[in-house]
Amino acid sequence: ILNVEQSPQSLHVQEGDSTNFTCSFPSSNFYALHWYRWETAKSPEALFVMTLNGDEKKKGRISATLNTKEGYSYLYIKGSQPEDSATYLCAPPSYNTDKLIFGTGTRLQVFP
Amino acid sequence: KAGVTQTPRYLIKTRGQQVTLSCSPISGHRSVSWYQQTPGQGLQFLFEYFSETQRNKGNFPGRFSGRQFSNSRSEMNVSTLELGDSALYLCASSFGGQPNTGELFFGEGSRLTVL
Repeated sequence: ILNVEQSPQSLHVQEGDSTNFTCSFPSSNFYALHWYRWETAKSPEALFVMTLNGDEKKKGRISATLNTKEGYSYLYIKGSQPEDSATYLCAPPSYNTDKLIFGTGTRLQVFP
Repeated sequence: KAGVTQTPRYLIKTRGQQVTLSCSPISGHRSVSWYQQTPGQGLQFLFEYFSETQRNKGNFPGRFSGRQFSNSRSEMNVSTLELGDSALYLCASSFGGQPNTGELFFGEGSRLTVL
């Protein structure tokens, strides 16, 4: 069973603060890493799909890095805004199963 | 471009009944995945279908089943409902190909309550 861990479980920050979360997974059998944002009462929305070690992707104030050798990915949010409040999920599919297994997420709340 | 459509959005059933949920993927997407979300459990993978074939299956009992039609629409069925089946059921579609290298597009979900 693929063990995906996300930390912290929850995070409260002030508007304007920068923040980051971690997704950890077994480094073997990896071939992609997905990040999704899930706002309350909405559907999960894809942020990034990353496949290369050392990959860095950016979308506006949100960016992500990937280290496949050590089995982790960081998601950064620069200058957090209240609309960034959501649960951020990561999912690394493995060669063994091809299943997309999600972590339990990091719940971010940004206060004005 | 229409998004992923799930029906019904809300439903209430009693223990022992069965339920069928429907998912219409984005046009051109051939892969449909189903997930269950319960409080504190995150998204649990149920199964994935690609071109009418089940390509992957999660660790759920046989009461949970699914299928995919030639137009890529998918249904999932839960028989002999239990209280613990109360959850939000999410469907997601993608182009497919090599599994899981393309982003998933999620529907708004079907919220099932079992009394």
